[in-house]
Amino acid sequence: GDSVTQMEGPVTLSEEAFLTINCTYTATGYPSLFWYVQYPGEGLQLLLKATKADDKGSNKGFEATYRKETTSFHLEKGSVQVSDSAVYFCALSPGSNYKLTFGKGTLLTVNP
Amino acid sequence: NAGVTQTPKFQVLKTGQSMTLQCAQDMNHEYMSWYRQDPGMGLRLIHYSVGAGITDQGEVPNGYNVSRSTTEDFPLRLLSAAPSQTSVYFCASTSGVGGYTFGSGTRLTVV
Repeated sequence: GDSVTQMEGPVTLSEEAFLTINCTYTATGYPSLFWYVQYPGEGLQLLLKATKADDKGSNKGFEATYRKETTSFHLEKGSVQVSDSAVYFCALSPGSNYKLTFGKGTLLTVNP
Repeated sequence: NAGVTQTPKFQVLKTGQSMTLQCAQDMNHEYMSWYRQDPGMGLRLIHYSVGAGITDQGEVPNGYNVSRSTTEDFPLRLLSAAPSQTSVYFCASTSGVGGYTFGSGTRLTVV
């Protein structure tokens, strides 16, 4: 079945550092890929998405590129801020039924 | 737009009690889902619906029932609460192409 593996946290960075959170997936066909962010005490918010190979999703300075050859969708940001502290989830949807399969989440803490 | 509204936000149940978690969306989305979030487990799909009158099981459906009588509402029923159902529950909806919109969650404790 479908699965998503993302790097385990927690990840602790200083403000303005470069962020990478790795995400790889296993799925049949051509799933859509997503990054969701969860701030403390809140629900999940869609951060960015990509629906086909080589698509780049971007939002709020975050980027991720859909790499079918490596089945990856790594999240990057060039300069993190304290306000980026949250849990980040990688997810996929096969498209045919729109069910989401999530990774286990990565806790990011950014220190001033 | 309210988006996805979940009630209640917090609930404490005794083992064996039943309750219904409410979920409503005002975006006319066809697809709705219920997930539970547990530490170290990510989010796991409980039940989902592809339209009014159509529901199906997800990864962890045991102990839960759903129905979808209208496009807007997708309640989740706990039939006989167990401590293993202590979790944070999220309802979500989508039109299919833009990714899901999530509610703010219900934190349930079963004692």
